[in-house]
This record gives sequence, structure tokens and C-alpha cells, in this order.
Amino acid sequence: NAGVTQTPKFRVLKTGQSMTLLCAQDMNHEYMYWYRQDPGMGLRLIHYSVGEGTTAKGEVPDGYNVSRLKKQNFLLGLESAAPSQTSVYFCASRSRQTLNIQYFGAGTRLSVL
Amino acid sequence: KNEVEQSPQNLTAQEGEFITINCSYSVGISALHWLQQHPGGGIVSLFMLSSGKKKHGRLIATINIQEKHSSLHITASHPRDSAVYICAVSGGRDDKIIFGKGTRLHILP
Repeated sequence: NAGVTQTPKFRVLKTGQSMTLLCAQDMNHEYMYWYRQDPGMGLRLIHYSVGEGTTAKGEVPDGYNVSRLKKQNFLLGLESAAPSQTSVYFCASRSRQTLNIQYFGAGTRLSVL
Repeated sequence: KNEVEQSPQNLTAQEGEFITINCSYSVGISALHWLQQHPGGGIVSLFMLSSGKKKHGRLIATINIQEKHSSLHITASHPRDSAVYICAVSGGRDDKIIFGKGTRLHILP
């Protein structure tokens, strides 16, 4: 039972490059989230989705785009990476029935040079 | 002011000690969460509670809704309990979660 899987686990980008982080969950969860975690700060919500085909902005959405074309996948895109986007990115998902218990992926460590 | 405040930020204790980590929040909530993040980075939900007290093994979580305060206790602490413990609250539109900055716990053998 894989749970929430993030790919890649590590990535180094140059300023201006683009990339997509993939989050896949096999629990049939309706809700999916993308967070970033920076030293000295709590997890901050970038974007989230409450169902297939729907997305919404979180606390820090600028510089990121997302898509939820399939229920099991939630993609986070960086169109033109900036050093300020160096962070650890976490994906999470939850069922509407589990009353907010979120299941997290292992994280993606991204460095933008 | 942060909506979720944890204390202490860092805690070092000897194996066997009773540990308490505190969390205060300033917003209305539907639930409060305690999560654990190990040095490898993975995040695991420990508790979700909206009232009273929950216990799982050596971990106990309590919440006082009137005082907007929660505590996480660890009895008979062990080096494997060393991790970052994160308090978070959920509520409002789409039940989004707001996270505290975490408490870094180090248990010495």
C-alpha cells in the first residue's frame, strides 16, 4: 500500500528553469494539498484541491501552478524557478470522511541555484 | 502574531523523562492535530482531537477549547522519540490546516 508518493525526491534547478512535481495517492482521497517547508517556519499551503478538476490557492501560491486532471494525481509546477523557491515540498491527501487527518508524502527537496 | 504558537522551540531531555510540549492557538477551530516529523523528513499524524484527551501508547494529547491550548505529553521518553513535533489547527472554509513551527525534541540515552 503506497499511500502518498512524491516524485522526484531531490532536484536541483537553475534559475529560470521549469519543472513539475508529481503527487500520487492510491487511497481514493478527494482532497489533496501542496505545502512548502522552510527553516524556522511551519508548513505553508501553496495550493490545494477538493476534487478532480478543481484547484484553489493557499497561503503562498505565487510562482506555482497546479493541476488535478485525475483524482489520484496532483501536479505542482514551477514555470520559472527562483532561488526563493528552494524548499522542501510536501504533498498530502485526505478523505472527506477522515475528518482532517492528512496523509503526507515523503517530501521533495528542491534547490534552485 | 502567529495563529499557532508552540513552546518550547527546542527541548533536550534524558531518556525516561516526562515530556510536555505546548500549543496555543488564536483562531476558531474544528480540530487540533499533533504530527511527528522524523530526521528523515517524513511526517506522520499522531492525533486529531476536538475535545478532551487522547492516548496512544506513551503519547497523550489534551486540549482545552476554552483556553485555546493543547499539550502533547510523552511518558518514559526514549531516544527514538527524537523528532520534530508539530501542532496544527483546522477549520474554516475547506478545513484548511494551519501549522505551528514545530518543537524539536532530542532525547539523550
